[in-house]
Parts: sequence; C-alpha cells; structure tokens
Amino acid sequence: EAQVTQNPRYLITVTGKKLTVTCSQNMNHEYMSWYRQDPGLGLRQIYYSMNVEVTDKGDVPEGYKVSRKEKRNFPLILESPSPNQTSLYFCASSFGSGGWNEQYFGPGTRLTVT
Amino acid sequence: AQSVTQLDSHVSVSEGTPVLLRCNYSSSYSPSLFWYVQHPNKGLQLLLKYTSAATLVKGINGFEAEFKKSETSFHLTKPSAHMSDAAEYFCVVSDRGYGNKLVFGAGTILRVKS
Repeated sequence: EAQVTQNPRYLITVTGKKLTVTCSQNMNHEYMSWYRQDPGLGLRQIYYSMNVEVTDKGDVPEGYKVSRKEKRNFPLILESPSPNQTSLYFCASSFGSGGWNEQYFGPGTRLTVT
Repeated sequence: AQSVTQLDSHVSVSEGTPVLLRCNYSSSYSPSLFWYVQHPNKGLQLLLKYTSAATLVKGINGFEAEFKKSETSFHLTKPSAHMSDAAEYFCVVSDRGYGNKLVFGAGTILRVKS
C-alpha cells in the first residue's frame, strides 16, 4: 500500500532533550516536506527536500533540523525542544516539486514538550 | 506571495442540506488550488484539486469547487451534507513554480446536525 509513515505518533518529552521524528514513504517520491499544525493557523511548512541531499527552509524552520540521506526517509530533528514546539506534525511527499503535484500526508505526530 | 483566507472558521448545517465553505486566495502566479479534509485524529486527505484545466472541479464524496479567477475564489460545495462530512477543511494554494510549497488556510470546521 502506498503510504507515508511517521514515528512516533505521540511523544511527550521535556525541554532540551533531543528527539527525532521519522518519516518514510514507499512511493519513490522526490519531494518531501514537514509541516506543523497549530489551532487557527492551518499547517505551516518547516522544511522541505527536493531530492536526496537537497533540503531548504520553509516558513518556520527555527529550532528544527532535517536530513535527506535516502530518497524514502526524511527525519525531523529537534536538537533542544522547547514548549513552543508543542504541536501536531505532518510529513508529506509528492512525485515532483511542481506546485500542481498532490502531496500525500502521513498520519501525524503529536508532540508535547513540557 | 501567496495567501489563503477561509472566510468562516465554523460552519454548521443540517444533514441533507447544502454545504458551502468559502475560500479566497492571493497568488502572484497561476495557482494550483486544493481542498483537503481532516477528520478528527486523522491525517489529511485530498478532496479535489484545480490545476488550470476545467474551472469546475469534482472531487470525492460528492464535493466540488469552482475556480473563479475574477473573484480569486475557490469555494467548496456539496449538494447534500452527510453526518460523515463533519471534519475540518483546508483550502490550500500552491504556485506552479519550483518548490511545491503549499500555503494553507486556517481551516473551517464543518458541523453536521442530525
């Protein structure tokens, strides 16, 4: 089944403790992206990747890192999480980087930083 | 720069009556426009997309939307609401250029009364 998977689905952590949220897709998509969803703000892009070893900042990149060493994986790294990073995170992928391409979303990761 | 305004944060309809969710957009380029739906505690699912073909776009579950360039609108409609339509709906704009960046509206929560 074609899908985007994220792990973990739920995470509660403490301020400053490094964490990684994994994202994997099995559709051989070139483009991958991370979003955060906050009430009343919709989804905002954190980082995106056009292909392996090609990443760039989105609208809200502060406090996050990403890497794209393999085409299928695009982990999101929080080196020193803070409470303002408490949010619902979505990974997405699409076949190409053109704006007409449908993006496929993972199920989401709910992160709480205390 | 692109932006999306969803004109209603909450819409309440009775089962069997029409649904109208309003969306206005701003884009410097010829946009692609999408509607995504998010059911409670679920990921995002694509309802429909406009990418410069027919201005009236039909999607899944009986939804459709009409692209009106003169009004910069992309309103979502359905002739008859079903209880299972209760969810949050996001209008999304993407330019056709490099980057496949999606800009989300703040969302409209649809409530369907029995």
